[in-house]
Amino acid sequence: AQTVTQSQPEMSVQEAETVTLSCTYDTSESDYYLFWYKQPPSRQMILVIRQEAYKQQNATENRFSVNFQKAAKSFSLKISDSQLGDAAMYFCACLNTNAGKSTFGDGTTLTVKP
Amino acid sequence: DTAVSQTPKYLVTQMGNDKSIKCEQNLGHDTMYWYKQDSKKFLKIMFSYNNKELIINETVPNRFSPKSPDKAHLNLHINSLELGDSAVYFCASHSGGAWETQYFGPGTRLLVL
Repeated sequence: AQTVTQSQPEMSVQEAETVTLSCTYDTSESDYYLFWYKQPPSRQMILVIRQEAYKQQNATENRFSVNFQKAAKSFSLKISDSQLGDAAMYFCACLNTNAGKSTFGDGTTLTVKP
Repeated sequence: DTAVSQTPKYLVTQMGNDKSIKCEQNLGHDTMYWYKQDSKKFLKIMFSYNNKELIINETVPNRFSPKSPDKAHLNLHINSLELGDSAVYFCASHSGGAWETQYFGPGTRLLVL
């Protein structure tokens, strides 16, 4: 069975500061992808960043970057220069490409303080 | 243009009724999903279809029946609605190959009274 664990139900950060959201996963598959999704109060699921498991280089998207530690099965999200608009629930997900199935963590609610 | 669309966005209904939620994607993806997000915001997969064939069916009551008339559509029909069915239901589609990514619809908020 594939599992994704987000150990921080809530996090807060001061505007313009940096915050890291944790995610660990467990899968027996060798071919998988990892994602971070953002869900603002509108409930829309917005893709933030994706990482191919076969790539060693950490993915980056503007202020968002990941620290992918494959051996440790860890996939944390770093948000730099936090903005008020970053406040949302963040979900980590692991996509098993063979089964075509994604497993999501339980989410981390991020609050950004002005 | 909306990539993954769902209708309706809001659905309020009485217990015992039968309702359907529609999903359409214009991305040309082969795989589509239904997820349920409960009041605690836990997101769980319900069904997955690939080219109109059911490939994932998590432990979901028989009252829920997905229907895929073609690979661009995956509708969710719910019979005999119960209070516990109240949730946000998300449709998603999945691109394969080098750009493996799931794209989500806007969600349908279902409230069963």
